[in-house]
Amino acid sequence: DAKTTQPNSMESNEEEPVHLPCNHSTISGTDYIHWYRQLPSQGPEYVIHGLTSNVNNRMASLAIAEDRKSSTLILHRATLRDAAVYYCILRDVSAGANNLFFGTGTRLTVIP
Amino acid sequence: DAGVIQSPRHEVTEMGQEVTLRCKPISGHDYLFWYRQTMMRGLELLIYFNNNVPIDDSGMPEDRFSAKMPNASFSTLKIQPSEPRDSAVYFCASSLGSGANDEQFFGPGTRLTVL
Repeated sequence: DAKTTQPNSMESNEEEPVHLPCNHSTISGTDYIHWYRQLPSQGPEYVIHGLTSNVNNRMASLAIAEDRKSSTLILHRATLRDAAVYYCILRDVSAGANNLFFGTGTRLTVIP
Repeated sequence: DAGVIQSPRHEVTEMGQEVTLRCKPISGHDYLFWYRQTMMRGLELLIYFNNNVPIDDSGMPEDRFSAKMPNASFSTLKIQPSEPRDSAVYFCASSLGSGANDEQFFGPGTRLTVL
């Protein structure tokens, strides 16, 4: 499976935008880019996913580089409730499998 | 829907005892996953089922671990005998399908402590 590289930790001030980067230089053409996050003492939860085009939903935006070797999760206005570990995951949907391989993720700290 | 339900939420047992973790997936979901999370190894997939059939159990650490899914609404993960190194948070997740839009929904986890 193609791997992803994320910074171990990041900080943001409350109500400011946050850009969480992810490198995936070995991504294949059939890999989707998924983001999950894990709030303290909870199970992971889905945030957003995309293939080639930028994506927006109520939680966040996903910006995908033109060569697809990197992507950025954007939280437009960080709140204290956004403090979590954010995981960038590649999923090869063509393989028919649905299992997720979590890396170490980025621990986001939101400063009041 | 109540989401993925796991029980118990916390389990403390002694080394050598049998431990059974339970999971009720979201109704209508065809896929069920068991994950384990530790500080050292992070979040790792143990096994997953499709339509109650185990598809990939390559993540199961050893023969002491077994998982079953007798019907679409129930799954168990059993450890026998348990060891201190099995202490971890065990998550169950389910998804509707295996398509790109099929996100996984995770339960709250079971925190297992083996003394």
